[in-house]
Order: sequence, then structure tokens, then C-alpha cells
Amino acid sequence: QVQLVQSGAEVKKPGASVKVSCKAYGYSFTNCDINWVRLAAGQGLEWVGRLNPNAGHTDLTQKFQDRVTMTMDTSTSTAYMELRSLRSEDTAVYYCARGSPIVEADVDYWGQGTPVTVSS
Amino acid sequence: DIQMSQSPSTVSASVGDKVTITCRASRSIGSWLAWYQLKPGKAPQFLIYQASHLQSGVPSRFSGSGSGTEFTLTISSLQPDDFATYYCQQYNIDPRTFGQGTKVEIK
Repeated sequence: QVQLVQSGAEVKKPGASVKVSCKAYGYSFTNCDINWVRLAAGQGLEWVGRLNPNAGHTDLTQKFQDRVTMTMDTSTSTAYMELRSLRSEDTAVYYCARGSPIVEADVDYWGQGTPVTVSS
Repeated sequence: DIQMSQSPSTVSASVGDKVTITCRASRSIGSWLAWYQLKPGKAPQFLIYQASHLQSGVPSRFSGSGSGTEFTLTISSLQPDDFATYYCQQYNIDPRTFGQGTKVEIK
């Protein structure tokens, strides 16, 4: 069945970078977008952007355009999100989520989340 | 960006209760609205798409309605597994945006 498995928790210092991985199982990786969403404590969900694994194209929320890179390795069905110049407000759980193959839907299956802590 | 707001922010309810959560969009999004369930430490669950279509495998006690700017998620008879936080999301236009969440807690 469809499953997204993410890398483990990270602790980083301000100014550093973090790279989170999301390995897909149970479907053809290049057929569906991978979205990234984060949840900070006391805040709501925030969409970071999406990667189209077929074209390699990304769409990013404007606030992340200078600091986020989304990449993929189709040989291992793995998507990556790198966030640079980390600051304390980037402390959050980062989720990957599959773009649904149902045209009328958006995302369906989610990863388990990767906690990222930014602290000096 | 389209702003999404949910109410209430917290609802206290008992098993068997009917629970209704409201989601409002700052401008019309047609029916391009989804609902998700989040529990700590678990992968979020996709419940409803296009405002009222139940994702395969989701219990029928969940239902969604609305269009334009006002939407509701209803749980007809709350079960122990339903205590969680629920988020609405618009996907009419980028950037995708979410409501701030509604926590359903045990009364």
C-alpha cells in the first residue's frame, strides 16, 4: 500500500541547513507530486511547496523561495527538502504528502513527520 | 493568499456526540476544500476532498458540506478514535492554505 517514510528528527543551530527525506512506497513515484507542509507548535499547518518528480519542477510559497530547495532521486523513489539559513521560527514538524491521483483532490497520503528543532 | 479560518478552535465532546466544525475562506474557493485529521506522532489522515467527497476507507460518520466560502465537517457520532485536531485546506489556488485547526477533546 502507499506509504511515505520520512527521515528522523533533526536538531540544528541557527544559520545551519537541514535536509529531510521522504521515501515513497506502493506507487509509481514519478506519477504524483510530493508536497511539503510544516506544523509549528501553537500554529496551523503551513504549505511549503510541491515537487513534480516527473518534470523536476517545483512550486514554492513565496516566503520560502530563497531558502528551500526540493529535489528527488527517482532511482530510490525519494524526495528531499532542504531548508537553509535556519532560524528558531523554523522549529516545526515537517511532513511530506503525496499529490493525489484523483484530479478532484489535492494531497492524500502523508509521511509520519520529521521534527526539526532549531536552537543555539 | 486565501485566508482560511476555523471555528471553534477547541470543542469538548463525549463519545456518541455530534460534532460540527466550520471553515471559512476569505474569498470563494468553489468546492476546492479538503479536511485532514492530525494526531501527535502519526501521519495525518486525509478525510474529505472537494468539500463533500469521502476518501476511500474513511468512516461514514464523517461528512462534509459547503461551497464558496463556508464549509462544515460533521462527525455524526463521535468515536474514541476521533479525538484529534482537524484542519481544512483550500486547494483552489497556490499557495495552498490551511485553517488554524480545531481540536476535538474529551469532555
